[in-house]
Amino acid sequence: QKEVEQDPGPLSVPEGAIVSLNCTYSNSAFQYFMWYRQYSRKGPELLMYTYSSGNKEDGRFTAQVDKSSKYISLFIRDSQPSDSATYLCAMSANNQGGKLIFGQGTELSVKP
Amino acid sequence: NAGVTQTPKFQVLKTGQSMTLQCAQDMNHNSMYWYRQDPGMGLRLIYYSASEGTTDKGEVPNGYNVSRLNKREFSLRLESAAPSQTSVYFCASSPKVSAAHLGQYFGPGTRLTVT
Repeated sequence: QKEVEQDPGPLSVPEGAIVSLNCTYSNSAFQYFMWYRQYSRKGPELLMYTYSSGNKEDGRFTAQVDKSSKYISLFIRDSQPSDSATYLCAMSANNQGGKLIFGQGTELSVKP
Repeated sequence: NAGVTQTPKFQVLKTGQSMTLQCAQDMNHNSMYWYRQDPGMGLRLIYYSASEGTTDKGEVPNGYNVSRLNKREFSLRLESAAPSQTSVYFCASSPKVSAAHLGQYFGPGTRLTVT
C-alpha cells in the first residue's frame, strides 16, 4: 500500500463548478501537507501548503487537512479552463530530512 | 532569473548506454533533488543533496548516481541504462531541506526513453 493515495481521475467539470480533490495517507507522522499544480509537459509548482490540521484559503483555492481521518482536500471555487492541470498532493514529516512523499496526481479538465 | 534549468530536454538511449542529466539553479538554494515521474506513480525521489558536499538516497536510488558539483549544480548519472528507467526526470531545489514544505522549485524535466 502506498503511503499517499490519490485518485488519478481524469476529472472533467464545466467552467464555474466547484472542484474537490482528495488524498488519503497512512503515515501519522506527516505534519506538512502541500498541493502542487502541474501543467502538461511542465514541472510542478507549489499551490499551497498547510501545517497540521485545519483550513487555509488563498483566493479560489482552499486546502483542508483532517489528521484524525488522515485525509486532505483541495477545493477550487469558480473553476476556470486555466485550472486544467494535474494536481499532486505531497506530504512530509519533521524527521524525514525534508523528503516529500507525493500522491499519484489527479488530472483535472475544466470545460468552457 | 532562470530558476531551475535542466539539460537535455529529451533523450533516447539504447540499453546499456550511459548518460548524465544536468541541473542548475540560480536561486542560491542549499538543497537540490532528483525525482522521476511515471504514469500512475506520482513523483518519486531518487537522490537529494541537503547542502553542497552531501548527497543521500531517496526512495528509488538503484541504477543512479549523483554529483553535487557546487552549490548551483546537481547532476544525475545513469551508468548502464535499462528500459525500466524510461521516465520523465525532474530536478528541484529548495532554500534548505528543513523548509522543503515551503516549496520545492522544479525544472522543466527531461524526457528519457531507453530502448
